[in-house]
Amino acid sequence: EPEVTQTPSHQVTQMGQEVILRCVPISNHLYFYWYRQILGQKVEFLVSFYNNEISEKSEIFDDQFSVERPDGSNFTLKIRSTKLEDSAMYFCASSGASEQYFGPGTRLTVT
Amino acid sequence: QKEVEQNSGPLSVPEGAIASLNCTYSDRGSQSFFWYRQYSGKSPELIMSIYSNGDKEDGRFTAQLNKASQYVSLLIRDSQPSDSATYLCAPEKTNTGNQFYFGTGTSLTVIP
Repeated sequence: EPEVTQTPSHQVTQMGQEVILRCVPISNHLYFYWYRQILGQKVEFLVSFYNNEISEKSEIFDDQFSVERPDGSNFTLKIRSTKLEDSAMYFCASSGASEQYFGPGTRLTVT
Repeated sequence: QKEVEQNSGPLSVPEGAIASLNCTYSDRGSQSFFWYRQYSGKSPELIMSIYSNGDKEDGRFTAQLNKASQYVSLLIRDSQPSDSATYLCAPEKTNTGNQFYFGTGTSLTVIP
């Protein structure tokens, strides 16, 4: 069964460093998303991406964040200068129509 | 009013019983509704989608939708210990590219 994959599973970085989180969506899906979940809190929408451009973004997705689909398979989230409060699980999701399927997540720890 | 409201629980039911999970939402334009299951430390897993008023059954799961009341529920029949997880209600936000609201979830424990 096709699934969304994410790498790395855990990333530790120092405050102020740049990180890139990687995702491989399900191959025939057209819509891609990033979410985050701070420990013990709800899943929060960051951004959606369709046809090689951002279609929606939340207030959380400020200038420190960017997304890219550098090739036909990968979808990346870059955080330019990490802050302590960026520590969270980051989930990638993809959909063909309306149902979204989530990857296993990357746990980002900023020290 | 919160976009999505769920009873955070914990909800405990004995094995074999019916678990009933409820969700209300504020966006009157929402047309699509999803239930996700999230085990501790894992990602959300899609278990049900519902688009029309009424009931939709899939195995031991039944989703119920009432758009007039802005209410969606999930029933789990013959609950198993493996159903113990947090259940997230996710209505689709109106006029967006498939953006979902996520509730905080209801924690369910099925007692053997």
